[in-house]
Amino acid sequence: GEDVEQSLFLSVREGDSSVINCTYTDSSSTYLYWYKQEPGAGLQLLTYIFSNMDMKQDQRLTVLLNKKDKHLSLRIADTQTGDSAIYFCAESTTSGTYKYIFGTGTRLKVLA
Amino acid sequence: DADVTQTPRNRITKTGKRIMLECSQTKGHDRMYWYRQDPGLGLRLIYYSFDVKDINKGEISDGYSVSRQAQAKFSLSLESAIPNQTALYFCATSEGQGNEKLFFGSGTQLSVL
Repeated sequence: GEDVEQSLFLSVREGDSSVINCTYTDSSSTYLYWYKQEPGAGLQLLTYIFSNMDMKQDQRLTVLLNKKDKHLSLRIADTQTGDSAIYFCAESTTSGTYKYIFGTGTRLKVLA
Repeated sequence: DADVTQTPRNRITKTGKRIMLECSQTKGHDRMYWYRQDPGLGLRLIYYSFDVKDINKGEISDGYSVSRQAQAKFSLSLESAIPNQTALYFCATSEGQGNEKLFFGSGTQLSVL
């Protein structure tokens, strides 16, 4: 079946860039998303990319999509302690049966 | 006030008890969802509803049921709770305009003893 995979942990120093990676298996995905979950809170959408795009930039966030390799990444520039959270990638499709699959989440720890 | 509100925030119950988790939204969205989150497993879809008369099973619907009482309300029931249903439960909504941006509630932590 379809699967979305992420590494579980990432640790970076404040001010460095963070790169969180995600791989997925379903080539019919239409949109890919990045969500952030802070302690005690629900998930909050950070950004998303349409599957026919290669890159999307939004302030400190850069999303790269390699559709051939089914690889999605989120780069956070100038990482701050407030960026410490769990980051989930997700994929959805707009054709056929509804499908919205989340990855396992990557816990980002930012060291001061 | 939160756009997607879940009650209760925390619940401890015993095996075999019936439990209802409630979700209400003020976003005016037609689509509503129930997910559960387990450490290391991400989020898994339990049930979803695209409008008031529509109910669909997700990937892990066994042991759960839902009711869509109104556009703004979507409740999740555990008819006879068991310990492996201990998890963090999230309600979410979306507009349903192709790009399915999900808006989440703050979650309900359920513990079944």
